[in-house]
Amino acid sequence: GDSVTQMEGPVTLSEEAFLTINCTYTATGYPSLFWYVQYPGEGLQLLLKATKADDKGSNKGFEATYRKETTSFHLEKGSVQVSDSAVYFCALRISMEYGNKLVFGAGTILRVKS
Amino acid sequence: NAGVTQTPKFQVLKTGQSMTLQCAQDMNHEYMSWYRQDPGMGLRLIHYSVGAGITDQGEVPNGYNVSRSTTEDFPLRLLSAAPSQTSVYFCASHQGIEQFFGPGTRLTVL
Repeated sequence: GDSVTQMEGPVTLSEEAFLTINCTYTATGYPSLFWYVQYPGEGLQLLLKATKADDKGSNKGFEATYRKETTSFHLEKGSVQVSDSAVYFCALRISMEYGNKLVFGAGTILRVKS
Repeated sequence: NAGVTQTPKFQVLKTGQSMTLQCAQDMNHEYMSWYRQDPGMGLRLIHYSVGAGITDQGEVPNGYNVSRSTTEDFPLRLLSAAPSQTSVYFCASHQGIEQFFGPGTRLTVL
């Protein structure tokens, strides 16, 4: 079935370090891919998305490229800040007869130290 | 525009008790969903609705009931709470590709 695998955390970085969080997926067809972020005590917010192969999603300095050949959607940021500390979820969208549903990875905790 | 709202924010129940988690959205979205979040497992779909009067089961529906009498509201009912239902519950709505999430309800069943 459809599934998402992302690297286990927690990931601990110093401020201004480079961030990569790996995400790979298994799906039939070509799903849309998403990264959601959950700040402490809050719900999930959409961080970025890509709807077809080779698309690059970007937002707030974060980027991810939809790689069909490696079925991957790795999240990167060149210089993290303390305010980026959160849980990051990779997800794929499955179209149903009506609407769609999301399949999530387990989440990766990011801690950024000053 | 409040988006997706959920109440309560926190709840503690004893095994066997019943309760309803409330969810409302003011974006006129047809599609609404309930997910539960457990450590190391991401979010899993419990039930979803494609419009008023129409609901269906997701991956983990056992122990939960839903109904959708209006476009705005999509309550989740626990008929007889069990410790395995201790989790954080998120409601979401969408009309297009992006789903919008509520702030969550943290439920503990003792």
